[in-house]
Amino acid sequence: KQEVTQIPAALSVPEGENLVLNCSFTDSAIYNLQWFRQDPGKGLTSLLLIQSSQREQTSGRLNASLDKSSGRSTLYIAASQPGDSATYLCDVGGSQGNLIFGKGTKLSVKP
Amino acid sequence: DARVTQTPRDKVTEMGQEVTMRCQPILGHNTVFWYRQTMMQGLELLAYFRNRAPLDDSGMPKDRFSAEMPDATLATLKIQPSEPRDSAVYFCASGSGTGGTQHFGDGTRLSIL
Repeated sequence: KQEVTQIPAALSVPEGENLVLNCSFTDSAIYNLQWFRQDPGKGLTSLLLIQSSQREQTSGRLNASLDKSSGRSTLYIAASQPGDSATYLCDVGGSQGNLIFGKGTKLSVKP
Repeated sequence: DARVTQTPRDKVTEMGQEVTMRCQPILGHNTVFWYRQTMMQGLELLAYFRNRAPLDDSGMPKDRFSAEMPDATLATLKIQPSEPRDSAVYFCASGSGTGGTQHFGDGTRLSIL
């Protein structure tokens, strides 16, 4: 059974710092992996989607990498801003459509 | 911007009552997902549909939960009878194709007293 773990559960950094969020999964036979952002009281917003054949995806200050063999993905945020404060979740998709989420990392960026 | 619409936004009711949550997926999306989010369990997939056909509902308690798509513009999730442990935020998401980006609604916050 696929298990997805995100460490740390919470992270606080000063504005301007570069940071890395981690996502690990137990079964490397994945279809894709997606990073989301969730603001309080809101739904999830997709940030980056990596297909199993890809190694990384970039969007603006965000870069997500995928290493299936080691069961890991990282989300790199450059030059963090207070507006980046949110909970970040990763979702691992299996070929049968099963979708497993981690419990997220709550990020706080202090001005 | 196209978005997934969920109603109601909040629902408070007594245990034993029927609860119906509705979702309007983004026009043209052929895949619809229902999730439940709690502090303890995080985000769990309950069921999902492709082209209105249920593909997987193994995450759903079968005895009290049911999910349907009467047409391409409406998905429903019903709980009957509701129990306090069903209290959670229920999200609907839609997407197109296999393995594409999911677009989430703002959720229905359900409280069962």
